[in-house]
Amino acid sequence: AQSVSQHNHHVILSEAASLELGCNYSYGGTVNLFWYVQYPGQHLQLLLKYFSGDPLVKGIKGFEAEFIKSKFSFNLRKPSVQWSDTAEYFCAVKAGSARQLTFGSGTQLTVLP
Amino acid sequence: GAVVSQHPSWVICKSGTSVKIECRSLDFQATTMFWYRQFPKQSLMLMATSNEGSKATYEQGVEKDKFLINHASLTLSTLTVTSAHPEDSSFYICSARAPSGGTNTDTQYFGPGTRLTVL
Repeated sequence: AQSVSQHNHHVILSEAASLELGCNYSYGGTVNLFWYVQYPGQHLQLLLKYFSGDPLVKGIKGFEAEFIKSKFSFNLRKPSVQWSDTAEYFCAVKAGSARQLTFGSGTQLTVLP
Repeated sequence: GAVVSQHPSWVICKSGTSVKIECRSLDFQATTMFWYRQFPKQSLMLMATSNEGSKATYEQGVEKDKFLINHASLTLSTLTVTSAHPEDSSFYICSARAPSGGTNTDTQYFGPGTRLTVL
């Protein structure tokens, strides 16, 4: 069965620092990849997704992610974080023809003002 | 667009009672909805896939008779926790899968969740 790994459980950054959150998956076939964000007390919101085409995907709020097929990775990046980016970030994978998503364990990002 | 609502947002009930949670896709039709549990500071655990007009598909280890799912229309799925016990206390989240063919194909949109506390 496929799995999704987010190795950073908690990341603490100062405002204006650059961010990169790791996401690796285990599935050899075609995948659809997602990053979701959950702000404190709010529901999951879609940040960005990759289905095909350009492996560098731009999402909302200045986030981007790069799909590297050879590394089975889909890391999330933002060049300069803000205090308002404090949230939990989840990577998710849809493997092949499966309808469901497999989620990573999440990364809590805390941005210090 | 792509808004999913859940009702209620929180519920407290006595042990042994049943609780129904509704999940609605407000501005799109969803043939497939999903139900998750999320424990504090943990990821989402898929409980079941809700299919409009047919039986739900449950993940391994999820009791079908305890967590009843009904997907009677293209915009509504319900999860009923039957004979709830304190260990069922959790945050239940639904999502709706955008229909095929559009730019949002295969994208899931999440509801705000329902906090269930069983006393």
